[in-house]
Amino acid sequence: GAGVSQSPSNKVTEKGKDVELRCDPISGHTALYWYRQSLGQGLEFLIYFQGNSAPDKSGLPSDRFSAERTGGSVSTLTIQRTQQEDSAVYLCASSLTLPGATGIQYFGAGTRLSVL
Amino acid sequence: AQSVTQLGSHVSVSEGALVLLRCNYSSSVPPYLFWYVQYPNQGLQLLLKYTTGATLVKGINGFEAEFKKSETSFHLTKPSAHMSDAAEYFCAVSDHNSGYSTLTFGKGTMLLVSP
Repeated sequence: GAGVSQSPSNKVTEKGKDVELRCDPISGHTALYWYRQSLGQGLEFLIYFQGNSAPDKSGLPSDRFSAERTGGSVSTLTIQRTQQEDSAVYLCASSLTLPGATGIQYFGAGTRLSVL
Repeated sequence: AQSVTQLGSHVSVSEGALVLLRCNYSSSVPPYLFWYVQYPNQGLQLLLKYTTGATLVKGINGFEAEFKKSETSFHLTKPSAHMSDAAEYFCAVSDHNSGYSTLTFGKGTMLLVSP
C-alpha cells in the first residue's frame, strides 16, 4: 500500500477482554515496529520484527502482550486480559533494512485503545 | 543505552516568530538523529534526519536542525512560524550499529502558535 495502515483506528473494550490490533506495513518493508504512546510516557518501543521473526521483544510490558507477523507483511498485536493502564495509542512503523539504509521509519496513524 | 531529552513540554510562539525546539541526546555510538511531527489524530511524519556528513540538515516545511557533537544536541529551528506548524514534535535517536534501528524518542514538545 501507499502507507502504513492500522486498524481499527479506535477500540473501546472492557477490562479483562482481549484485543487485537492490526498493522499493514508499506509493501516491501522488511522491518516492522510497534510503539505505545501514552500520556506522560511519550513513545515507548514494544517489539521489532525482521521478516516474520522478532529479534527484539524487550519493550513488551508484560506477558499479556504478544505479537506476530505472517508472510513478512501484516502484523497483529494482541493484548490479553486488558487493564485500564493499557489505554494508549498503539503505533506501528515499517522501514527498509537494506545495507546502508538509514532506517527511516514510516508510521501509521495508530489505534487508540480505551479500556473501561 | 540511548536517551533523548526535549526541554519544554510546551513552547509558545507568535506567528512569524522564530521557532526553537531543543533536543539533547546520549548515545554510546555515533547516532542517527531524527525529528518527527505529529498532527492531531495522525501518525508521526518525518521532518528531517541526520546520519553522516553535513551537520546542518534541512527538512520539510522550512525546518532545519544542526547536529552539534560537542554539545550532544540536535535542536530544531524554523525562522518564521506559521499557524499550520502547531503540532507535537518528537526528537529521536537510533542505534543503527545494532543491525536495525529501534528509535528512542524524547517525550515530545507541543508547539503552540498564536496569531
